[in-house]
Amino acid sequence: EIVMTQSPATLSVSPGERATLSCRASQTVSSNLAWYQQKPGQAPRLLIYGASTRATGIPARFSGSGSGTEFTLTISGLQSEDFAVYYCQQYKNWPPEYTFGQGTKLDIK
Amino acid sequence: EVQLVESGGGLVQPGGSLRLSCAASGFSFSSYWMSWVRQAPGKGLEWVASIKQDGSEKYYVDSVKGRFTISKDNGKDSLYLQMNSLRAEDTAMYYCARDEHSTWVYWGQGTLVTVSS
Repeated sequence: EIVMTQSPATLSVSPGERATLSCRASQTVSSNLAWYQQKPGQAPRLLIYGASTRATGIPARFSGSGSGTEFTLTISGLQSEDFAVYYCQQYKNWPPEYTFGQGTKLDIK
Repeated sequence: EVQLVESGGGLVQPGGSLRLSCAASGFSFSSYWMSWVRQAPGKGLEWVASIKQDGSEKYYVDSVKGRFTISKDNGKDSLYLQMNSLRAEDTAMYYCARDEHSTWVYWGQGTLVTVSS
């Protein structure tokens, strides 16, 4: 099983600033990495797939980078609606053994 | 508009069974892989199972193999999850989601399963 580790567990950032979230895989997943945002009481929302491609309708302030085992989600110019929990998910293996990171909570500073 | 609506959750005793349903609309259900993803209260996301468009391939996370069965009825545009031998650790919100190249764009609102005596 590929273990996904996110850091930090909680990140406090002021509105308008930049947030950088990290995700590490226990073995290479190439670019088979997605990022989701989840707000309380809501289903997750796909932000990024293929490590760096924004999903439809996702604002340009969200960007993803990385490949192999190290990945980053950057949110520039944080807006109030961006404060949420973020999860990374790998989808490298076939047959599927999809795994998520434990999440990073983005808090208002 | 794509819609996924789960139902069937509830309170069940350990060792019991439950069948979750997900009614799909707004897209060609028979053309998509579908999945179940769960989230224990206050915890992270966990993929549970996926099924191919025609139901010919099914995959599960190790922790539910032999206990859960995913199925789909393309004639009824519905996805199911039969859960047997339920354990306390199966307590979670269960989401139905439409696969998009192994990621999930469309999700239902979830149905809560609580396993407790």
